[in-house]
Amino acid sequence: DTEVTQTPKHLVMGMTNKKSLKCEQHMGHRAMYWYKQKAKKPPELMFVYSYEKLSINESVPSRFSPECPNSSLLNLHLHALQPEDSALYLCASSQDPLQRASYNEQFFGPGTRLTVL
Amino acid sequence: QQQVKQSPQSLIVQKGGISIINCAYENTAFDYFPWYQQFPGKGPALLIAIRPDVSEKKEGRFTISFNKSAKQFSLHIMDSQPGDSATYFCAAISNFGNEKLTFGTGTRLTIIP
Repeated sequence: DTEVTQTPKHLVMGMTNKKSLKCEQHMGHRAMYWYKQKAKKPPELMFVYSYEKLSINESVPSRFSPECPNSSLLNLHLHALQPEDSALYLCASSQDPLQRASYNEQFFGPGTRLTVL
Repeated sequence: QQQVKQSPQSLIVQKGGISIINCAYENTAFDYFPWYQQFPGKGPALLIAIRPDVSEKKEGRFTISFNKSAKQFSLHIMDSQPGDSATYFCAAISNFGNEKLTFGTGTRLTIIP
């Protein structure tokens, strides 16, 4: 299994809703990432988990709350979002963040298209 | 500086032609330079990558040229095909830093018959 899966594919939510995005990989990767991508822009890093611990938070607003329940799963909990948070949310994983001898390719999932009304 | 500058923003190439996308970086700590290809509705996928100790890497129709002194690198797609129509992002990362990929701004490539 060499893919990263994300659910749901599409999500529409109101500003008062609470929802969660889910990401799963079964490649034995120990680093997992959340990115946000606006139309015609590159992905922007939000969070990095390394060995199930949050290692990078790119000053993301607290209305986005990541969670890594185990080495295969990554969640992004959403609460009180704003319309400007509408975007494609990408999950990625890479093999071993402690392995510095070679580049750890980041494998991306297909994303969740989020619309905040 | 963490920027990676990419040009052109969009590119139209005739089928069978050569597509060329250019990137430049400032941070000399970068030591790995991947190119990602993204189709509409999909996540980015690694296409080809290069380390700065080589000047060129070729995989099939895709070639990266790297100029370390100028801090520039480029992607060449030979015999471009309609199936190559996608958005291409160059990127850079420091292997001894954290896991942060610094992306270029992207090039939307369209191959016309």
